[in-house]
Amino acid sequence: EIVMTQSPATLAVSAGERVTLSCGASQGVSSNLAWYQQKPGQAPRLLIFGASNRATDIPARFSGSGSGTEFTLTISSLQSEDLATYYCQQYLKWPLTFGGGTKVEIK
Amino acid sequence: QVQLVESGGGVVQPGRSVRLSCAASGFRFSDFAMYWVRQAPGKGLQWVAVIAYDGRNKFYEDSVKGRFTISRDNSMDTLYLQMNSLRGDDTAIYYCAKDNGKLTPHYYFESWGQGTLLTVSS
Repeated sequence: EIVMTQSPATLAVSAGERVTLSCGASQGVSSNLAWYQQKPGQAPRLLIFGASNRATDIPARFSGSGSGTEFTLTISSLQSEDLATYYCQQYLKWPLTFGGGTKVEIK
Repeated sequence: QVQLVESGGGVVQPGRSVRLSCAASGFRFSDFAMYWVRQAPGKGLQWVAVIAYDGRNKFYEDSVKGRFTISRDNSMDTLYLQMNSLRGDDTAIYYCAKDNGKLTPHYYFESWGQGTLLTVSS
């Protein structure tokens, strides 16, 4: 099983600041990496697929990068509505696995 | 637009069975692989099962193999999860999710339902 590790577990950031979230894979997954946003009490929403491709209707302030074992999700200027937990997911091998999530809080 | 509506959750005793349903609309259901993903209270996401667009291929997470069965009725645009021999650690919100790829799955979750909560407790 490919283990996905996210850091930090929690991040407190002021509105307008740049946010960088990390995701690591226990073995290379090429670019088979997706990012999801889950707001409190809501279902997850796809943000990024293929490590760097924004999903439909996702604002340009969200961007993804990386390949192999190290990935990054960047929010260029944090908005209050970005308060959420963010998960990465690899889809190279079965079982499909998620990271433990990074909770982004607004200072 | 894509809409996925889960139902069938509730409180069930350990060892019993339950069937979850997911009614799909807003897209050609029979063209896409579908998934069940769960989230235990206060925890992260866990993929549970996947079924190909035509129902021929299915894969399961190890902890549910032999207990859960994923199926679909393309004439009714509905996805199912038959859950047997339920255990306390099956307690979770169960989401159905749609694949991104038409006929050829991409294995990530493009759209999600709002989920249905299943509590396994005596």
